[in-house]
Amino acid sequence: QKEVEQNSGPLSVPEGAIASLNCTYSDRGSQSFFWYRQYSGKSPELIMFIYSNGDKEDGRFTAQLNKASQYVSLLIRDSQPSDSATYLCAGGAGSYQLTFGKGTKLSVIP
Amino acid sequence: EPEVTQTPSHQVTQMGQEVILRCVPISNHLYFYWYRQILGQKVEFLVSFYNNEISEKSEIFDDQFSVERPDGSNFTLKIRSTKLEDSAMYFCASTRLAGLTNEKLFFGSGTQLSVL
Repeated sequence: QKEVEQNSGPLSVPEGAIASLNCTYSDRGSQSFFWYRQYSGKSPELIMFIYSNGDKEDGRFTAQLNKASQYVSLLIRDSQPSDSATYLCAGGAGSYQLTFGKGTKLSVIP
Repeated sequence: EPEVTQTPSHQVTQMGQEVILRCVPISNHLYFYWYRQILGQKVEFLVSFYNNEISEKSEIFDDQFSVERPDGSNFTLKIRSTKLEDSAMYFCASTRLAGLTNEKLFFGSGTQLSVL
């Protein structure tokens, strides 16, 4: 059974702070990992993907992958109120049959 | 940015009725997917489709579900006899390639299905 686990939150951070979102996965065959942002009632929107161990940066976002620990994280620097959403972690093992976590709700307080 | 289009945005049906959810994938994409999300739950993979055949399907995608690409632009999900537990947001998605690559998995805006 492939599982992706996330702390459901809510995670509250003040505006301008760093938000740290974490995810663990059970399937060692998973190769690539995705972070999606989902606003209430909307479709998931891709923020970052990562498939190599280490860090990957894109603007205010940094994804981190540690395959040995089966751990993925997303850092959001200079958090803005517009970043308030649910963040979904997903993993895939070679295709887009992705396994999603339940998501972490982030609230950025002005 | 190109978009995956889904219609209708909301669908209300009676238990036992058939529903067809429609999607127009991005024009140069070849692989198509359906996911669903029950309120408050995880996004779940249902099925992937390529070259007029199902590539992969999950345990959720049982005989009550079917997919079809009836023409060159539409991709549909049919639920033959809806159950209360089919109530969910259904997302269509598409990609150019099958394997995990640098490209995005583009999700449509979703169809909220309510089974009464």
